[in-house]
Amino acid sequence: AQSVAQPEDQVNVAEGNPLTVKCTYSVSGNPYLFWYVQYPNRGLQFLLKYITGDNLVKGSYGFEAEFNKSQTSFHLKKPSALVSDSALYFCAVRDIRLQAGTALIFGKGTTLSVSS
Amino acid sequence: NAGVTQTPKFRVLKTGQSMTLLCAQDMNHEYMYWYRQDPGMGLRLIHYSVGEGTTAKGEVPDGYNVSRLKKQNFLLGLESAAPSQTSVYFCASRTLGAVNEQFFGPGTRLTVL
Repeated sequence: AQSVAQPEDQVNVAEGNPLTVKCTYSVSGNPYLFWYVQYPNRGLQFLLKYITGDNLVKGSYGFEAEFNKSQTSFHLKKPSALVSDSALYFCAVRDIRLQAGTALIFGKGTTLSVSS
Repeated sequence: NAGVTQTPKFRVLKTGQSMTLLCAQDMNHEYMYWYRQDPGMGLRLIHYSVGEGTTAKGEVPDGYNVSRLKKQNFLLGLESAAPSQTSVYFCASRTLGAVNEQFFGPGTRLTVL
């Protein structure tokens, strides 16, 4: 079965420190992986995606993610956290069970809290 | 471009009442989706559409119906609301291509008493 796991409900970091939000996946075939961010009372915003190629993917707002096939992981990273990065982060994988692989399976989300 | 918009933003219903949530997108996207977001459960797909006049069931379709009569609109209906349908509902859309990201609306917060 396809699934996405975000093992941490919350991640706390100090401003200026590096941050990592973890994601592991289980899919058949090659995974298409995504990260989204949700600010309070807002819809989800796309951050970055991995389809193929370089294992390090760069996205919006200085975020990047590292794809590791052997560990089936797709961790979100940022070298220096900002207080404004505080939000709810979702990892997602393309759902190949549906027509044309159109939908996404989301993890439960990880709340990132950056303190000043 | 307004992107993806949802109407209404908030709604309170009594058990057994019906309502329709409207999603509209102005990006000429082919695919549209309805998700519900519940605490600690992430987003779960209710129904989706791959084009005008077509709809399909997602992961949690029971108690909901949808229609896509126009390409830009995707309606989600609750015929007889239940407290278990208290949730935040998000609409999303995307263009053709299996790798294209989805664009989300701001959400509708629904409470069923």
